[in-house]
Amino acid sequence: GENVEQHPSTLSVQEGDSAVIKCTYSDSASNYFPWYKQELGKRPQLIIDIRSNVGEKKDQRIAVTLNKTAKHFSLHITETQPEDSAVYFCAAREGAQKLVFGQGTRLTINP
Amino acid sequence: NAGVMQNPRHLVRRRGQEARLRCSPMKGHSHVYWYRQLPEEGLKFMVYLQKENIIDESGMPKERFSAEFPKEGPSILRIQQVVRGDSAAYFCASSPPFPGEQYFGPGTRLTVT
Repeated sequence: GENVEQHPSTLSVQEGDSAVIKCTYSDSASNYFPWYKQELGKRPQLIIDIRSNVGEKKDQRIAVTLNKTAKHFSLHITETQPEDSAVYFCAAREGAQKLVFGQGTRLTINP
Repeated sequence: NAGVMQNPRHLVRRRGQEARLRCSPMKGHSHVYWYRQLPEEGLKFMVYLQKENIIDESGMPKERFSAEFPKEGPSILRIQQVVRGDSAAYFCASSPPFPGEQYFGPGTRLTVT
């Protein structure tokens, strides 16, 4: 089955700098890659996603890139703000619907 | 437009009791998924259901756990004879009929004492 690896597990950046989180997946048949943000004690919130027929997608300060050949995808957050502090999860869709999640990255934005 | 609803939000059970977790999908969504999250860990898939059908239960423990999504009413995740290791946050997600985005509910935090 699908296996998703996520790095780093913790990331600390200065406010205003950029943050990059990387994930690799194992199943070349996976075709959908969402990113979720989870604040402490809250639900995971979908922040951006990308499908396998697209190489890059951007939404304001957030962008995701996908390299199908290498089977990796990355989340980029620019001009980071304190409210970006949270745990971020990448995922890959295996089969018709099942999501396989990475282990999470705890992002801390230092003022 | 109400999002995914889950109840109860917090549930405390003694070892050996039963836990019932309920999930109502977003309006227009007919696909429901259950995930489990242990403290400081990621989300693990448990089961995927459509109305009256279990599509994929590959993540469900073979014993004590069951799930249903009846024609009427919410989806139910049932854990019989709970043990301390069942303590976790259980999240439900829903998606529309065509394979699409999954939106999560607020979760049920189960504590087994």
